[in-house]
Amino acid sequence: QKEVEQDPGPLSVPEGAIVSLNCTYSNSAFQYFMWYRQYSRKGPELLMYTYSSGNKEDGRFTAQVDKSSKYISLFIRDSQPSDSATYLCAITQGGSEKLVFGKGMKLTVNP
Amino acid sequence: EAGVTQSPTHLIKTRGQQATLRCSPISGHTSVYWYQQALGLGLQFLLWYDEGEERNRGNFPPRFSGRQFPNYSSELNVNALELEDSALYLCASSWGLNYGYTFGSGTRLTVV
Repeated sequence: QKEVEQDPGPLSVPEGAIVSLNCTYSNSAFQYFMWYRQYSRKGPELLMYTYSSGNKEDGRFTAQVDKSSKYISLFIRDSQPSDSATYLCAITQGGSEKLVFGKGMKLTVNP
Repeated sequence: EAGVTQSPTHLIKTRGQQATLRCSPISGHTSVYWYQQALGLGLQFLLWYDEGEERNRGNFPPRFSGRQFPNYSSELNVNALELEDSALYLCASSWGLNYGYTFGSGTRLTVV
């Protein structure tokens, strides 16, 4: 079983749609959960960071963590064409200082 | 504030040659991380350097090596290049993992 599983998509939605991106993980020792966005020909950029179960909001983005189910989600409200990118979940135990990434989901938001 | 810078942007090498990739972290960041992003495989952890020392290593053969200099910049060396080494190599730096990584734009290595 892989440490982190992410639906690879791709996902195509109309502008204004609510987007849900999901990852599951296998190791209950994971404590820190991140979402990165990667535009074509660029490095990933940190979008959201959380270390507890529950929801964290930042503008149109909401990160959700359910440690009991080992499930994390990223919701994008009122999606925009500029949100078109690959989204990667990343998880770590913390002390190991190594991030384990999902394979990424390619999102296209159509105007 | 300048971000993480990587050079070169693109690199084309022949199988069996050596490649050297360079990374300058954000000023004040002491940790540098290297990741390989190959098509279909996602980001795979390669190496972590902190304060000039190798702290952790991913599941890669010894021909992948590197170092961190006193100014915290870092170099990744790949010896005896193989075709499957073709990938985007990403460098990241951080204050510490609690703050997440900041990535550079990567070096695209192509082995022919």
